[in-house]
This record gives sequence, C-alpha cells and structure tokens, in this order.
Amino acid sequence: DGGITQSPKYLFRKEGQNVTLSCEQNLNHDAMYWYRQDPGQGLRLIYYSQIVNDFQKGDIAEGYSVSREKKESFPLTVTSAQKNPTAFYLCASGPGDSGANVLTFGAGSRLTVL
Amino acid sequence: GQNIDQPTEMTATEGAIVQINCTYQTSGFNGLFWYQQHAGEAPTFLSYNVLDGLEEKGRFSSFLSRSKGYSYLLLKELQMKDSASYLCAAMDSNYQLIWGAGTKLIIKP
Repeated sequence: DGGITQSPKYLFRKEGQNVTLSCEQNLNHDAMYWYRQDPGQGLRLIYYSQIVNDFQKGDIAEGYSVSREKKESFPLTVTSAQKNPTAFYLCASGPGDSGANVLTFGAGSRLTVL
Repeated sequence: GQNIDQPTEMTATEGAIVQINCTYQTSGFNGLFWYQQHAGEAPTFLSYNVLDGLEEKGRFSSFLSRSKGYSYLLLKELQMKDSASYLCAAMDSNYQLIWGAGTKLIIKP
C-alpha cells in the first residue's frame, strides 16, 4: 500500500540536543512538506521541497533544517536553536504545484522536550 | 494578511446534520480544502472546491462561494465516528495552503 511513514511516533529530547524526524513516502510524489501543529492553531509550514536537492523555508523555519537527497525521503532536524520544540510534527506529500494538490499526511511525530 | 476563520468547537447529535463554516482571506485563490483529523492522527482529505457551488460526496458535502470568501462542510446522518477535528485550508496564488485552526466536532448519542 502506498503511503507516508513517519518515525518515531513519540520522541523525548533534552534541552540542547538535536533530533531528527524521519519521513518516507512511496507515492511517487514530487512535493514533500513538514508542518508543526500546536493546540488551538492551524498547521504551520516549516519547510517544503518540490524537487530532489531543493527545498524552501516555510513560515517558521528558524531552528529547523531539512534535506532532500532522495525523492522518497525528507527528514527534519529539530536543532537546539528551536526555542519551543515541543509539538506534533506532520509530514505530508503531494503531486506538486497545482490547484488540486491533495496532500497525504503521515501519522505524525510527537516531540517532547524534557 | 492571509487568514482563515472557523469555529473552535461544535456539538451535534448522532443521526443529525451539522454545518461547519469557514471564511477565508488570501492573496489570490486556487481552491479550498477540507480535511478530517481524529485526535492524535494524521489529517485525511475530504474535499476540494475551486468553483462556486456544492460538491456532494456521500454523507459529506462541501460548498464554496468565491465572491464571499466562504465555504462550509455539511455532514449528514452523523455517526459517532464523525467525532473529529475538521480543518479548512485555502490555497493562495503561490499554491501555498493557509490553514484554519480546525473545528472540533463532538457527536453525542
């Protein structure tokens, strides 16, 4: 079955540590996205990538980094520079730039900073 | 600025009908999406509207008025499994999605 796999589902981090969240898709989608979801707020875009070896900052990129070395993979690193990293992180993929760009989401990764 | 507004929470009765409203202001417009998200899970796609009018898909329908910057999601014959958050998102002229905070729908027996 085609889909998106995120891991780990739950992650605990000590202050000052970097952590990397994995996102893999087998939908052959060109575009991939990372969102952050906090209670009472809409999804906020962290980074997105329309093509391999290229990515753009979203609205809240500070303290995060990504890479897109393969079409299937778009890992997100939450660095120690991110001041408030505790959140639910969602990875998504879609066909790319078009009006009907229906996104498929992974199950999410919940990061807690201790 | 760009903005999406939808009610924070709604309550309805099993078997009834509920309408979830969404108003949007975006720089350009390339369509309106509705997603369903159960607690702690991934959002799943429900509907996409780019032209004015009503799109019906089983128990769920979605309406769009571009001139009013308004959409609604209509859920009929409510079931307990419809208890979830419903996310409205508008696509701007750069094909970027602007998301609302979501409407938590509570279904009571």
